[in-house]
Amino acid sequence: QKEVEQDPGPLSVPEGAIVSLNCTYSNSAFQYFMWYRQYSRKGPELLMYTYSSGNKEDGRFTAQVDKSSKYISLFIRDSQPSDSATYLCARPGKAGTALIFGKGTTLSVSS
Amino acid sequence: DGGITQSPKYLFRKEGQNVTLSCEQNLNHDAMYWYRQDPGQGLRLIYYSQIVNDFQKGDIAEGYSVSREKKESFPLTVTSAQKNPTAFYLCASSIRDNNQPQHFGDGTRLSIL
Repeated sequence: QKEVEQDPGPLSVPEGAIVSLNCTYSNSAFQYFMWYRQYSRKGPELLMYTYSSGNKEDGRFTAQVDKSSKYISLFIRDSQPSDSATYLCARPGKAGTALIFGKGTTLSVSS
Repeated sequence: DGGITQSPKYLFRKEGQNVTLSCEQNLNHDAMYWYRQDPGQGLRLIYYSQIVNDFQKGDIAEGYSVSREKKESFPLTVTSAQKNPTAFYLCASSIRDNNQPQHFGDGTRLSIL
């Protein structure tokens, strides 16, 4: 029950850039998707939790789910050096099991 | 503050030795999980527990063991049968509903002496 794919990067952008991070998935049965941010030597922290199709915005972050294309995206506006981290997307596993994570995309924002 | 506490932060294992990683949560979550993270491999599920006194193997359970005697505690033992234990180990917990997000501790880094 894998099937969550992410480009590992690394992705390097200058401060202030708009960043687009993407995941694809193959099982369209799931309605919820999550984005986690992981700083070096730390545990992942929940960044965004979205349901089904559409957009969800939280400050500089926007999560988008396109069910027709089976695509999950995270957009970061006005990127900051403090956004430098690994970003992981996740979807629910089968009932009674654990989340399924992508391998993560490493982002570096330079000042 | 509610959260997940993993200890120790760093751990060293000698050949042939079993070591136990601690995970405690005060979020009142029923479900708890152990993951292993290696560079380029993402998070790989070792064991998970949806309720006290019950746990299930994940994708890479060989060489590991767990117990779940209390709701707030889910210790992981890395046995001598695990031949490549050097990794970053992450514990997580969640409400017992597979649509709910998991909350993570800050990990234990295990190395071989």
